[in-house]
Amino acid sequence: QKEVEQDPGPLSVPEGAIVSLNCTYSNSAFQYFMWYRQYSRKGPELLMYTYSSGNKEDGRFTAQVDKSSKYISLFIRDSQPSDSATYLCAMVRDYKLSFGAGTTVTVRA
Amino acid sequence: DVKVTQSSRYLVKRTGEKVFLECVQDMDHENMFWYRQDPGLGLRLIYFSYDVKMKEKGDIPEGYSVSREKKERFSLILESASTNQTSMYLCASSLRTTGNTIYFGEGSWLTVV
Repeated sequence: QKEVEQDPGPLSVPEGAIVSLNCTYSNSAFQYFMWYRQYSRKGPELLMYTYSSGNKEDGRFTAQVDKSSKYISLFIRDSQPSDSATYLCAMVRDYKLSFGAGTTVTVRA
Repeated sequence: DVKVTQSSRYLVKRTGEKVFLECVQDMDHENMFWYRQDPGLGLRLIYFSYDVKMKEKGDIPEGYSVSREKKERFSLILESASTNQTSMYLCASSLRTTGNTIYFGEGSWLTVV
């Protein structure tokens, strides 16, 4: 069993829809939780970063962590075609990241 | 602005060749990482360095070695490239303190024929 599980999709939504992305994890030692966005043939860029259970908002993005259920989510409101990318969840333990496989999202204009 | 630079974006090498992938960061970060990314498998850690001349194996170190002679530079070496090492390689760096943001380079696409 992988430490971090993420549905690879693909996910296709119309412009303006809410995008919902999820990851589950098995290791309760993970300390920090991140979401990265990766455009085609580019390196991942950090979107959201949190370390506690609950919600964190940044503009159109909301990251949610539920440590008791070992479950994290990313919501993108009012999605735009420019949000079309692969989204990777990542979790930190002792300086090192463990990644989900990534979910490919397409926002249709 | 933070910067992790991978000098070679696209490489094609022959089986058995020795391959060097170079990474430079300008943020004075202690930690540096090499990952490979493959469809359906996500990013997997190859090696990690937390200081000059220090290194730790990641999840998939077989067939790879690394070198960190200067703080800003971390090299990944494929001693004898094989076709199953065709992949995208990502370098990253972060401050030593746990929980600091990890920054990635643009990636190096390696094809071994």
